[in-house]
Amino acid sequence: QKEVEQDPGPLSVPEGAIVSLNCTYSNSAFQYFMWYRQYSRKGPELLMYTYSSGNKEDGRFTAQVDKSSKYISLFIRDSQPSDSATYLCAIGPRAAGNKLTFGGGTRVLVKP
Amino acid sequence: DVKVTQSSRYLVKRTGEKVFLECVQDMDHENMFWYRQDPGLGLRLIYFSYDVKMKEKGDIPEGYSVSREKKERFSLILESASTNQTSMYLCASSPGTTVADEQFFGPGTRLTVL
Repeated sequence: QKEVEQDPGPLSVPEGAIVSLNCTYSNSAFQYFMWYRQYSRKGPELLMYTYSSGNKEDGRFTAQVDKSSKYISLFIRDSQPSDSATYLCAIGPRAAGNKLTFGGGTRVLVKP
Repeated sequence: DVKVTQSSRYLVKRTGEKVFLECVQDMDHENMFWYRQDPGLGLRLIYFSYDVKMKEKGDIPEGYSVSREKKERFSLILESASTNQTSMYLCASSPGTTVADEQFFGPGTRLTVL
């Protein structure tokens, strides 16, 4: 079993819809939860970061963490074509150092 | 703005060749990382370095080695390239000030081994 599981998609939605992404993880020692966005032919960039259970909002983006279920989610409201990208969850740290465990990524396509 | 640069965007090599992938960061970061990214498998950590001349194995170090002679530069070496090393290689760096630092990624090198 992978430490972090993420549905690969693709997830296709019409412009303006809510995009819902999620990851499950197996190691309850993980404490930090991040979402990275990766556009085609680019490296990933950090979108949101949280370390506690509950919701965190940043503009159209909401990150949700449920530590008891080992489940994290990212919601994108009022989705735009520019949101079309691959979204990777990342969880850490592991043991020592700033090492993250990444999910496989979900490809999202927002159609105009 | 943090900038992480990688020496090549695309590289084609033959089986058995020695391959060097170079990564440079310009923000005086302590930590540097090498990942490979394959469809459905996400990013897998090959090696990371938390200081000059220091290195630590990641999840899939077999067939790879690394070198960090200067703080800003982290090289990934494929001693004898094989076709199963065809992949996208991503370098990242982070400040090293906290255990949950943001990692900043380069644009990636797509390596094809024939």
